[in-house]
Formats: sequence, structure tokens, C-alpha cells
Amino acid sequence: AQSVTQLGSHVSVSEGALVLLRCNYSSSVPPYLFWYVQYPNQGLQLLLKYTSAATLVKGINGFEAEFKKSETSFHLTKPSAHMRDAAEYFCAVSDRGNQFYFGTGTSLTVIP
Amino acid sequence: DAGVIQSPRHEVTEMGQEVTLRCKPISGHNSLFWYRQTMMRGLELLIYFNNNVPIDDSGMPEDRFSAKMPNASFSTLKIQPSEPRDSAVYFCASSSRGRGVTGELFFGEGSRLTVL
Repeated sequence: AQSVTQLGSHVSVSEGALVLLRCNYSSSVPPYLFWYVQYPNQGLQLLLKYTSAATLVKGINGFEAEFKKSETSFHLTKPSAHMRDAAEYFCAVSDRGNQFYFGTGTSLTVIP
Repeated sequence: DAGVIQSPRHEVTEMGQEVTLRCKPISGHNSLFWYRQTMMRGLELLIYFNNNVPIDDSGMPEDRFSAKMPNASFSTLKIQPSEPRDSAVYFCASSSRGRGVTGELFFGEGSRLTVL
């Protein structure tokens, strides 16, 4: 079975500071991993995805994530937070079949 | 390409009324998902279709909820009768599933339902 755990439902960072959003997964098969972002009153938008190629994945808006099999993690980072990064972030895992499993989300606040 | 299109964007109705939410997936996608999002329960999968066939409806709350996909370009989620606890944002998402594709979901903008 697949599952996703996002540590920290709320994260606050200062503008310009490092953003680190944590995601750990459980999967019985080599997973596909995704990060989505949701801005207020909008749908979820794909930030980046890992599909068994390079373990360091770069996404939109300066975000990147590193797949670490030994730690079963797929943490999302951005070197310097911007006010526009304030949003809800969801980690998700797919078993390459028909199932998609989302984490409970992390709300990112950026303090000016 | 147009994304996933949902209608209506906002719906306010009274308890007991029938509600129908509509979704047009991205052309060429063969899987469609209905999710519900609330503050209390987060993002919940209600049902998903592959090639217009319902595969897993275990997330549908109760018999008041039903979903159909009569063809590859249209799906509906119906609530009859509606109750205040059904108030939520309902998202439709589509993806392309099969060999050699990664199958990420593409979401619509959502339908915000308020049941008074």
C-alpha cells in the first residue's frame, strides 16, 4: 500500500529564507512522487515530479525536491522564499497504476 | 490546450435540493477523478473513472452521491438530496494513464458548494 506523510501542517518562513517542506512516503513498488501547490481559491497545480530518472528534480518557481530512497523522503526546498510562495503544498505518491495518494498538506506562510 | 473545466464555480443551494456538478477533462486523458476538499477533512478522493468506467467509488460518502461519465469528455457528480455537511469545494482532475506515462493529475479550478 502507498501513503504519504507531510510533517508540519503549518510552516512559516521569512521572506528570503530557505523553504523546506517535508514529505515521507510509503510504497510497495518504485513510486512516482509529486508536489502540488494550491493558491487560495484555485485548484492544485503541479510543481514537480519524480519518475525514477534524476533524484534531484527541479520544478517551477524555483522549487526543487530530492528523492532519497534510503530515507523514503521527497522533501521540497526553495533557497529563498518569496511572498508569492504563500500557499498550500501537497505531496503525493502514485503506484504507477491508477491510485494517487495525497498528503494532508502544508500551509506555507511567508513573513515580510 | 484547455485545462480541466468545471461548472459551476460557485453554487449556493438549500438543504434538500439536488446539486449537479460538471466536469470536462483534458482531451485525450483517460482517467477522471472527483475530489472533495474541506478544512476538517482535507482532500478526499470520492471516485475515479478509467476509460469512462467507475473503478473505485469507495470514497463516495453515501447513496446521496452519484457520479457518471457518459463519454470521455464529460462527467457529473450529483448530490440528491443535499445537506449542509456537503458544503465543500469539489475538484475534478484528469490524467493520462498507461504504459510510458507518469499519470500526474491535472485539476480544475473547483466548484464551491454551499448548502444552507
